[in-house]
Amino acid sequence: AQSVTQLDSQVPVFEEAPVELRCNYSSSVSVYLFWYVQYPNQGLQLLLKYLSGSTLVKGINGFEAEFNKSQTSFHLRKPSVHISDTAEYFCAVSVPSYDKVIFGPGTSLSVIP
Amino acid sequence: DAGVIQSPRHEVTEMGQEVTLRCKPISGHNSLFWYRQTMMRGLELLIYFNNNVPIDDSGMPEDRFSAKMPNASFSTLKIQPSEPRDSAVYFCASSLNEQYFGPGTRLTVT
Repeated sequence: AQSVTQLDSQVPVFEEAPVELRCNYSSSVSVYLFWYVQYPNQGLQLLLKYLSGSTLVKGINGFEAEFNKSQTSFHLRKPSVHISDTAEYFCAVSVPSYDKVIFGPGTSLSVIP
Repeated sequence: DAGVIQSPRHEVTEMGQEVTLRCKPISGHNSLFWYRQTMMRGLELLIYFNNNVPIDDSGMPEDRFSAKMPNASFSTLKIQPSEPRDSAVYFCASSLNEQYFGPGTRLTVT
């Protein structure tokens, strides 16, 4: 079975500062990895995904994530955050050819003016 | 594309009443998922369908919850009878390769 850990439940950061949201996963087989963002009172929106190939994945809104198989991590980064990035961020994992996605508990990113 | 459509967006009902949540997936998507989100439990998968067939309903809390997908363009999640602890935001998502979420239905049971 797969599982996802997001160690930081809340991350406050000042505007224009860099941020890293951590995600670690557990799986005995190859996986697909995702980051979703949820703005207040909205559904989840896909930020980026890793299926195969290059371990550095670029997504929307200037976010990127790096897949590290040896450390079973998929950390999300942004070099300079904006107020509008304040949201809940979910890391997720799935197994190829299997629809079910396992979501982490989420990290609340708060950007401080 | 209109995305995943859910109705109603908000529902307030009294304990014991039947509640029906509706979802229209994105056309062409072959999988549909129902999730529940609360502060205490986070995001929980309740059930998912593939090609209109229920594949995994292990997340359905109890017999009061039921879900159907009579065709590729419509699904319902029903709670009967509803209880205050069912208050949550219920999301529907559909997928072909990755999941697309609807805006959710905020359910309040008093």
